Amino acid sequence: ELKVEQNPLFLSMQEGKNYTIYCNYSTTSDRLYWYRQDPGKSLESLFVLLSNGAVKQEGRLMASLDTKARLSTLHITAAVHDLSATYFCAVDQASGGTSYGKLTFGQGTILTVHP
Amino acid sequence: GAGVSQSPSNKVTEKGKDVELRCDPISGHTALYWYRQSLGQGLEFLIYFQGNSAPDKSGLPSDRFSAERTGGSVSTLTIQRTQQEDSAVYLCASSLGPSSYNEQFFGPGTRLTVL
Repeated sequence: ELKVEQNPLFLSMQEGKNYTIYCNYSTTSDRLYWYRQDPGKSLESLFVLLSNGAVKQEGRLMASLDTKARLSTLHITAAVHDLSATYFCAVDQASGGTSYGKLTFGQGTILTVHP
Repeated sequence: GAGVSQSPSNKVTEKGKDVELRCDPISGHTALYWYRQSLGQGLEFLIYFQGNSAPDKSGLPSDRFSAERTGGSVSTLTIQRTQQEDSAVYLCASSLGPSSYNEQFFGPGTRLTVL
């Protein structure tokens, strides 16, 4: 059974600081997704990582995937208050380009950025 | 363009009643997913429809839960004889399908409260 674990689960940051959220998963996969969720809202797609070594960047967020280590990271650079949200990683137990369809989600990391 | 839509946005029901939740996927998306988000269990996969294939029902928690997708588009999730533990936010997502990035786009969710 695929398990996805994020850490930390709670992250309180000061504006301007850098930090990394980690996402570990238990079985082989080469598709990983990062989502953002604001309070009371649905999930917003941030990044799609499809191969070992994939790196994607958008603004102050950068995501990477190491399929051999079964690890993805979401790095936050010079945090600002608008980044406060819950961040989820999700794994598609895909192999060789074929998706299993369903996603298995991590527990989520609640990020709060303080002035 | 239009995103995934769900109705109702909120549903309050009494224990033992049946409820129906509706999802309209993004036009052209062949894959449709139902997930459930609750405080205790996080984000859980429920069921996955891909084109005309038999759905993947492996995430349905009991036989009180069922779903159908008519005409390859709109989907209805039905919960019979609701229990208090069914209280959660039910999220629908759609994607272009497993042969693509399978990036899943989520609807706003239906918040179900069982009294």
